[in-house]
Amino acid sequence: AQRVTQPEKLLSVFKGAPVELKCNYSYSGSPELFWYVQYSRQRLQLLLRHISRESIKGFTADLNKGETSFHLKKPFAQEEDSAMYYCALRNTGNQFYFGTGTSLTVIP
Amino acid sequence: DAGVTQSPTHLIKTRGQHVTLRCSPISGHKSVSWYQQVLGQGPQFIFQYYEKEERGRGNFPDRFSARQFPNYSSELNVNALLLGDSALYLCASSPRTSGNSYEQYFGPGTRLTVT
Repeated sequence: AQRVTQPEKLLSVFKGAPVELKCNYSYSGSPELFWYVQYSRQRLQLLLRHISRESIKGFTADLNKGETSFHLKKPFAQEEDSAMYYCALRNTGNQFYFGTGTSLTVIP
Repeated sequence: DAGVTQSPTHLIKTRGQHVTLRCSPISGHKSVSWYQQVLGQGPQFIFQYYEKEERGRGNFPDRFSARQFPNYSSELNVNALLLGDSALYLCASSPRTSGNSYEQYFGPGTRLTVT
């Protein structure tokens, strides 16, 4: 069965500090992994996907198939990064699985 | 474009009743997906439709059904409502169902309360 685990419900970091939001998955096939973000009073939106290997708003995420992880990282957190972050997996059957989310607070 | 729109915004129903939620995708998007988000949890995938055909189904009972119309809008129907169906129902649209540029655009959701 597929599962996405985000072990931290809440994460607080100081402005300018590095931030890492953890995501682990279980899936026997070849998954597509995504990070979604929801800012206060806004809609859920895509932040980045592993297949495009891009950096968005300073965030990066590397798919580690050996550790089945897709951690989201940013070297220097900004106050505007405060939001709810969801890791998601899509399987070959076109089904999406979201983690329970991590609420990130960046302290000024 | 106003983005993905959903109606109604809020809804209160009684156990055993039936509910219909509606979604209009972004113009030009042919795929619509539905999710259920219970408070404190991530979205749970219910259905995906593309070109009026079901392309994916999550682990939900048969009380949940959906359809997509020729204009690509979609309805989610839930029969015999249970208290546990109380949640935020999200709709997301995308131009296609796969590919390197695949991206879902979410609507604001419909808040369903079952009493």
